[in-house]
Amino acid sequence: EIVLTQSPGTLSLSPGERATLSCRASHSFSSKYLAWYQQKPGQAPRLLIYGASSRATGIPDRFSGSGSGTDFTLTISRLEPEDFAAYYCQYYDSSRVTFGPGTKVDIK
Amino acid sequence: EVQLVQSGAEVKKPGESLKISCKGSGYSFTNNWIAWVRQMPGKGLEWMGIIFPGDSNIRYSPSFQGQVTISTDKSISTAYLQWSSLRASDSALYYCVRHGGNYSFDYWGQGTLVTVSS
Repeated sequence: EIVLTQSPGTLSLSPGERATLSCRASHSFSSKYLAWYQQKPGQAPRLLIYGASSRATGIPDRFSGSGSGTDFTLTISRLEPEDFAAYYCQYYDSSRVTFGPGTKVDIK
Repeated sequence: EVQLVQSGAEVKKPGESLKISCKGSGYSFTNNWIAWVRQMPGKGLEWMGIIFPGDSNIRYSPSFQGQVTISTDKSISTAYLQWSSLRASDSALYYCVRHGGNYSFDYWGQGTLVTVSS
């Protein structure tokens, strides 16, 4: 069973700053199984990144994903006010799905 | 436009049964897996299970196996999540989500809030 750990739990930054969010897996897997979601308060999550590094439709290019094996990263190059939210990584291998516990990006 | 529209909020008593729904539109419902995701108040996302409407192939999370039943009625493009005997700990927001290929979930329903209280 894959377990995902996200760090930090909370990231306090100012608009315009760069955000780097980490997702670490208990076992190595293909990067095609890794996705990232954004959830704002009171809203359903939204797919940001799939296949570790491919942006979903309509996602701004300030969002980028990278990584392989057990270590994956979501980077927001310059935080916009609407980017302050919770972010979840997710693993899915056609038989089961695992979400990480999430990272909350809040305004410093 | 792809949409997943879920049934409305429910307030139930412990021990009661419940079936919530998720209607897909704007795409071929039988061609995409549909999953259910729980979010307890102030907490993260938990995968409950996933079903392929085309043949009703189902996979449950071990954490939810035996606790809920997932089903579909492809004739009306609707997926269901049901409980036979609710507990207070089932109080949560439940999302249905579409697997869009690429091992990710590209469309989410608006969520159904379930409150179980005596």
